[in-house]
Amino acid sequence: AQKITQTQPGMFVQEKEAVTLDCTYDTSDQSYGLFWYKQPSSGEMIFLIYQGSYDEQNATEGRYSLNFQKARKSANLVISASQLGDSAMYFCAMREASNIGNEKLTFGTGTRLTIIP
Amino acid sequence: ETGVTQTPRHLVMGMTNKKSLKCEQHLGHNAMYWYKQSAKKPLELMFVYNFKEQTENNSVPSRFSPECPNSSHLFLHLHTLQPEDSALYLCASSQAGTGESYGYTFGSGTRLTVV
Repeated sequence: AQKITQTQPGMFVQEKEAVTLDCTYDTSDQSYGLFWYKQPSSGEMIFLIYQGSYDEQNATEGRYSLNFQKARKSANLVISASQLGDSAMYFCAMREASNIGNEKLTFGTGTRLTIIP
Repeated sequence: ETGVTQTPRHLVMGMTNKKSLKCEQHLGHNAMYWYKQSAKKPLELMFVYNFKEQTENNSVPSRFSPECPNSSHLFLHLHTLQPEDSALYLCASSQAGTGESYGYTFGSGTRLTVV
């Protein structure tokens, strides 16, 4: 079974609108971390935001927020006031407690976001 | 220089060639990783190095040979590759063992084409 599922292969959003990228995960660990990365066409993976499994507040970083619903095992990324520069691939990833020490991340298949002017 | 640097950015090689990918990190991290990114597939972890020691080989064919001479440098030696090995190869580093929210810092990748 996939550990990280991103069900939206592609999304088109009008500039300045908010967008939600879906991510669900599967783990039996009590302690884990969830990450979102952005990959522009240049190829580099850029870290956006992190949520720890014990964090009670949803993580926020500027225009990015993570809608963490632990019981549903979902960690959706919300981008407010989208900009043309937000067009990229977005990956959800998870680090499980058993991986502390080598920090292995498991990635989803990604969502290609295109912002329309 | 800061961050994670990968060279070359692009590489075209024949199936009988031998080439190497290089990754260098200037972040003081103690762990480095090679990932393979193929079209429409999740990133595939290939190798993990902690403090220069290989801690994971994710069933990677022997035509890929990693080398980690120190905690700042990581190489991926390639020989007798197949066309299906064409992909973006990403290097990453992290400060492992802290359990903190550091995640990875990635390089820009090497786009490999095997002809």
